[in-house]
Amino acid sequence: DADVTQTPRNRITKTGKRIMLECSQTKGHDRMYWYRQDPGLGLQLIYYSFDVKDINKGEISDGYSVSRQAQAKFSLSLESAIPNQTALYFCATSQAGGLIGELFFGEGSRLTVL
Amino acid sequence: RKEVEQDPGPFNVPEGATVAFNCTYSNSASQSFFWYRQDCRKEPKLLMSVYSSGNEDGRFTAQLNRASQYISLLIRDSKLSDSATYLCVVRTNTGNQFYFGTGTSLTVIP
Repeated sequence: DADVTQTPRNRITKTGKRIMLECSQTKGHDRMYWYRQDPGLGLQLIYYSFDVKDINKGEISDGYSVSRQAQAKFSLSLESAIPNQTALYFCATSQAGGLIGELFFGEGSRLTVL
Repeated sequence: RKEVEQDPGPFNVPEGATVAFNCTYSNSASQSFFWYRQDCRKEPKLLMSVYSSGNEDGRFTAQLNRASQYISLLIRDSKLSDSATYLCVVRTNTGNQFYFGTGTSLTVIP
């Protein structure tokens, strides 16, 4: 089983609908992140959290919100989806502290907004 | 200016070739450096961390030049299975921000 699990893996929705993407992890990491990936743009940080109830905006937070109610879970919401939010979304975790502290990614959630 | 810049390629090389990717970063206070591999429509996976002294893992060698703010990845004896996008990732020493290059596409041709 994957250490970082995202649901749903694929979703097609319509403009104006509310969408929630969920992420859960079994790595015991404190830090969790949501990224979106668009062709040619690389990964862009949407929100991140270093602890339960800690929420920080990333580069492109407009139109998104997140919730971190438990250490293992970090959910991303699109309150009113729009077509330019069509993208591949990744959840990631990292360990607090330490010199290296690489990111571990979930398998991704592909969202299409029509 | 982007935090991390990479040549997007694409690089198309024959099997057995040696290929090098380069990456530059803008924040001199960056702390940790990584190369990730991403297959089409899949999640990025860590290929190797990059240490100041340089490091090697089989056919892969990573180098870091802090003075020039430059990271490189060398792949020797390319295999068909090396075909993927390679992402340069930099982690800052404050706030634990990770910055990604846009990736370099590699196709190894039989």
